[in-house]
Amino acid sequence: NAGVTQTPKFQVLKTGQSMTLQCAQDMNHEYMSWYRQDPGMGLRLIHYSVGAGITDQGEVPNGYNVSRSTTEDFPLRLLSAAPSQTSVYFCASSLTGGRNTEAFFGQGTRLTVV
Amino acid sequence: DAKTTQPTSMDCAEGRAANLPCNHSTISGNEYVYWYRQIHSQGPQYIIHGLKNNETNEMASLIITEDRKSSTLILPHATLRDTAVYYCIVRVMYGGSQGNLIFGKGTKLSVKP
Repeated sequence: NAGVTQTPKFQVLKTGQSMTLQCAQDMNHEYMSWYRQDPGMGLRLIHYSVGAGITDQGEVPNGYNVSRSTTEDFPLRLLSAAPSQTSVYFCASSLTGGRNTEAFFGQGTRLTVV
Repeated sequence: DAKTTQPTSMDCAEGRAANLPCNHSTISGNEYVYWYRQIHSQGPQYIIHGLKNNETNEMASLIITEDRKSSTLILPHATLRDTAVYYCIVRVMYGGSQGNLIFGKGTKLSVKP
């Protein structure tokens, strides 16, 4: 049981490049989400999904796309990277109902855009 | 915006109890109080949650006031490994946007030898 797995752990991009941050979970969780964390700040919600085929915007969605074709995977796409997207990105998953709805987080992807 | 207010930082002596306060005066009847922590650069880790009764697990205790407008997370015997940023979050239990975790800036707890 691996939990929430994020790849890559580190990435450097040039301005204008595109890339996909991968997130996978093996706990059969319906809910998945992406956050970014800038230095000295709390986590800010980018996008989230309550199940396969369903996605919605969070607090800071601009510049990012997501899709949810399977329960297990929730990739985050940067279509044209900008220096303002330099951040640490965290993926999380949880059940959507019942008592045990605590979120499990991945270890993060540290992205630098130059 | 986060619906909670927490002190920016706190210190605690190793081996003593750490009591972390949180104000959530606008909490709704169907919202739970959740606590997470983030140890240096790692992903946040779930600690505990509760609705109105006090809760205890192997990591911590959660005390919620009777009017539910504030709560306290208690780490009974703090260790150096408990040094982290602690986040208090209110949210509903079920899914959808109201169930999103919205993080504030949290409390930086420093446990000192």
